Amino acid sequence: KQEVTQIPAALSVPEGENLVLNCSFTDSAIYNLQWFRQDPGKGLTSLLLIQSSQREQTSGRLNASLDKSSGRSTLYIAASQPGDSATYLCAALNAGGTSYGKLTFGQGTILTVHP
Amino acid sequence: DAGVIQSPRHEVTEMGQEVTLRCKPISGHNSLFWYRQTMMRGLELLIYFNNNVPIDDSGMPEDRFSAKMPNASFSTLKIQPSEPRDSAVYFCASSLDYYNEQFFGPGTRLTVL
Repeated sequence: KQEVTQIPAALSVPEGENLVLNCSFTDSAIYNLQWFRQDPGKGLTSLLLIQSSQREQTSGRLNASLDKSSGRSTLYIAASQPGDSATYLCAALNAGGTSYGKLTFGQGTILTVHP
Repeated sequence: DAGVIQSPRHEVTEMGQEVTLRCKPISGHNSLFWYRQTMMRGLELLIYFNNNVPIDDSGMPEDRFSAKMPNASFSTLKIQPSEPRDSAVYFCASSLDYYNEQFFGPGTRLTVL
């Protein structure tokens, strides 16, 4: 069964810092890995999706990398801003086993960027 | 496109009552997913459909939960009878196909008293 872990659970940084959020998964048989943002009391917003054959994806100040063989993904946020404060979730879309076709989520990293 | 639409946004009910949550996926998407989010367990997949057919319902917690997708533009998640431990936020998501990017609705916050 796929398990997804995110480290750290919470992160507080001053505005302008570059930061890295980590995600690890136990089963490398995945279709893709997706990063989401969730604001308090809101739904999930898709940030980046990396296909299993890709190494990284970029969108603006966000860069996500994927190392499928080691079961790791990172989300890099450049020049952080207070508006980046939210919970960030990674999710692996499973391509095998009992979790086939299912998106397994990590518990999230709560990011606070203070002015 | 308006995105995934869910209703109601908030639901407060008493234990034992029937609850029906509704979802309209993005037009043209063939896969639809129901998730539940709680503080203790995070986000969990309950069931997903592909081309209106339930593919995996192993996440449905009990027989009190049922889901239907009568056509490509509508799905329901029903809880009967509801219990306080069902209190959570229920999300619906859709994608072009089950292996594509998923787009989430705003969720329904359910409180069972």
